[in-house]
Amino acid sequence: GAVVSQHPSRVICKSGTSVKIECRSLDFQATTMFWYRQFPKQSLMLMATSNEGSKATYEQGVEKDKFLINHASLTLSTLTVTSAHPEDSSFYICSASRQGTAEAFFGQGTRLTVV
Amino acid sequence: LAKTTQPISMDSYEGQEVNITCSHNNIATNDYITWYQQFPSQGPRFIIQGYKTKVTNEVASLFIPADRKSSTLSLPRVSLSDTAVYYCLVRYNTDKLIFGTGTRLQVFP
Repeated sequence: GAVVSQHPSRVICKSGTSVKIECRSLDFQATTMFWYRQFPKQSLMLMATSNEGSKATYEQGVEKDKFLINHASLTLSTLTVTSAHPEDSSFYICSASRQGTAEAFFGQGTRLTVV
Repeated sequence: LAKTTQPISMDSYEGQEVNITCSHNNIATNDYITWYQQFPSQGPRFIIQGYKTKVTNEVASLFIPADRKSSTLSLPRVSLSDTAVYYCLVRYNTDKLIFGTGTRLQVFP
């Protein structure tokens, strides 16, 4: 099956710094990528939808200036958590849809801890 | 606001059949319903996908009624390793992929 690689799998950063998370589709072109956030014992909540070459669409309550999403190519989307705070500590997961289909493939997730 | 709901938790014993239902009103008419399994600190893992009626693969079955307002994941004979959280994933007409609230399945020996 298609593979989506997310990097890093784990990151610890200091409060006030920025962290970039990468999501790559390894063997297919992804026109649409989704970013989710998951707090402990909760479901995955959609943060934003990004389409290659255009601005991401953010869900209500998600600050676009804090969570910068760049989908510059058909195989790479990045999520940058700017000026991270401890409340941003969470599990972030990306998914990618193959061009021309609706099937979604998920990355392994990134555990962000802000100290 | 689109809402996709599942029972919070279910308990079962090894060897039993487990059925988990997801309620999803007003999903996109031309898109699949997908179910995932998630272990702690891992990304969701694909289980099964269907559009309507019944789909079966080597690990599960998926039942979808004609109105597509719900779907039921059936795990035929669960084992301890099936202890996990199970999510349905659907697309609404807004083009967003939304996860269900998740069902925590605990399998006992």
